[in-house]
Order: sequence, then structure tokens, then C-alpha cells
Amino acid sequence: DSGVTQTPKHLITATGQRVTLRCSPRSGDLSVYWYQQSLDQGLQFLIQYYNGEERAKGNILERFSAQQFPDLHSELNLSSLELGDSALYFCASSVTGGAGELFFGEGSRLTVL
Amino acid sequence: DQQVKQNSPSLSVQEGRISILNCDYTNSMFDYFLWYKKYPAEGPTFLISISSIKDKNEDGRFTVFLNKSAKHLSLHIVPSQPGDSAVYFCAASDSGANSKLTFGKGITLSVRP
Repeated sequence: DSGVTQTPKHLITATGQRVTLRCSPRSGDLSVYWYQQSLDQGLQFLIQYYNGEERAKGNILERFSAQQFPDLHSELNLSSLELGDSALYFCASSVTGGAGELFFGEGSRLTVL
Repeated sequence: DQQVKQNSPSLSVQEGRISILNCDYTNSMFDYFLWYKKYPAEGPTFLISISSIKDKNEDGRFTVFLNKSAKHLSLHIVPSQPGDSAVYFCAASDSGANSKLTFGKGITLSVRP
């Protein structure tokens, strides 16, 4: 158990819909990262927050947004969903915002039909 | 542009033999490298790391070698065990304040009893 909690574990929805994925980082970790793993792809970095502020942005679509709340949990919002958004979405946390070991949650599997 | 490349999608080895998993990178700014292991239905977990000031780091059965001039690293598992069967991700980052981990696509290792 990494200490990182993600909900929901599985989600099935239709194209055009909007979903929210939730992540609670390890106790004491200030930084939260979101990664997307599509079929046959590695972990693609989406976005990072550190202590409530956006720290780094990767290949995140404009239809996607995220935030980190004062209690340090984070949400990833995916809107106007397309079939290609079907993927595993991982949240990870770390104590600092710099390079180093990340602790990953079990992921949220999103299926868009 | 894939900055971290794991060109072999899979590897099968006999129990007790050595497993060698390879990784190449293109970004010369990368100076910290990690290997993560992922079992089905779980998030990736940290395995071993190496800084660019070293060329080898060992932890039990796992050794990571770094060849900076070739921009190549490898993970050696000796002896391989059936429980090592998993997907292995290579990751890299630079030491900037806003650095993020860039992952390869992963290698599926199967250790045959």
C-alpha cells in the first residue's frame, strides 16, 4: 500500500460526458502528479501541483483540468470525453516537488463508450 | 517525441538466470534515473534509482548501470524469480526545481519457473 488513494477505481461513461477523478496523497506529501497510461503507451505526464499551486504542465488537453485543495487532495476533471480518453489515470505524490521517488496510487480506469 | 525509450516490449527468462532490461534516453539534461515495477491492477512502485554521478547502483538482486556517454541504462536482476514477472518502467528527470519524471513505455518481464 503506497498510501496514495484514488477514486473511483473504475468508471464507464459515454462520449461527451464529464468525469472527476479524485486523489488523496500520502500523509505529509505536498506534491501531486497526474499521469495517463493509454494502451501500449507509457506513463504520460499530465500535470503537477505543489502545496495547492500548479508546478508543471505536460501534455494535458484543454478539455482536462486539475486542482489541489487546501487539504492537499487533488481532482482531475475530464470533460467532453472522447473514445481516445479511455485510459488508466494514475495519481502520484511526493514530499517535495523536485526530482525523486514518486508514490503511485492504484489508478482509475476510465472507459469511454 | 519519446525522450525515454524502452525498445523491447517484452522479455522472457528462466528462473535463476539473469534478466537485463534496457533503457535509452535522448535528453542530455536528465541526471536522475529510476526504475519502477508494476503488477496488474496496481500502481507502479519504486524499485531502484541512480544519479548521473554514479555508473552503478546495487540493491540486493537488482543492479542498475548507467552509461552517460551512450545515454543508456540497464537493470539487471540476478537471480530472476517468478515473482519478478511484472512490467518495468524506466524513468528519468533533470534536477530542476520543476522537474518531472519522464517514463518509457515499459517492458513486460516474464520469469518462467
